[in-house]
Amino acid sequence: AQSVDQPDAHVTLSEGASLELRCSYSYSAAPYLFWYVQYPGQSLQFLLKYITGDTVVKGTKGFEAEFRKSNSSFNLKKSPAHWSDSAKYFCALEGTGYQNFYFGKGTSLTVIP
Amino acid sequence: NSKVIQTPRYLVKGQGQKAKMRCIPEKGHPVVFWYQQNKNNEFKFLINFQNQEVLQQIDMTEKRFSAECPSNSPCSLEIQSSEAGDSALYLCASSVTGDEQYFGPGTRLTVL
Repeated sequence: AQSVDQPDAHVTLSEGASLELRCSYSYSAAPYLFWYVQYPGQSLQFLLKYITGDTVVKGTKGFEAEFRKSNSSFNLKKSPAHWSDSAKYFCALEGTGYQNFYFGKGTSLTVIP
Repeated sequence: NSKVIQTPRYLVKGQGQKAKMRCIPEKGHPVVFWYQQNKNNEFKFLINFQNQEVLQQIDMTEKRFSAECPSNSPCSLEIQSSEAGDSALYLCASSVTGDEQYFGPGTRLTVL
């Protein structure tokens, strides 16, 4: 069965530090993976996706993510972090069946100025 | 920012009542998704459309939920007989190709 796990419900760091939000997935075939962000009071916004090819994908707002097949991970990274990055981040997997998506429970990121 | 419009933003119903919510996808987006997000932030895919055709839906949707995306009208999701467990945030998303999705603000349903 397909699933997405975001093991860290909350992450807090100081502005200027490097951020890495963890995401692991379970899927038997080649995955399509996504990151979305939800700023306070706003809708989910697309950040980036991995379909195939380069294992490091770059997205909007200076974020990038690295796909690692060896440990089924798709971690989101940014350096340096800015206070405006404080938001909730969701990792998602496109699974079997036509366009069926699975989301993780999200990681709430707080960047302290 | 997403231009997906969802109405109403809040919906309160009694058990057994019908609950209907609407979604206007972004212009030029033929693929529409509906998700249910519970209080634990867990997303559940409900149904998706390409233009007016259902692509996929889960069993729950088939039994008590009905949805449609008529041409030139908003898409809609209706719960025929609401239950307390249906209380959640219902999110609509649209997409050009079906992978990168643009989400609306959601309709928060409370079933008393």
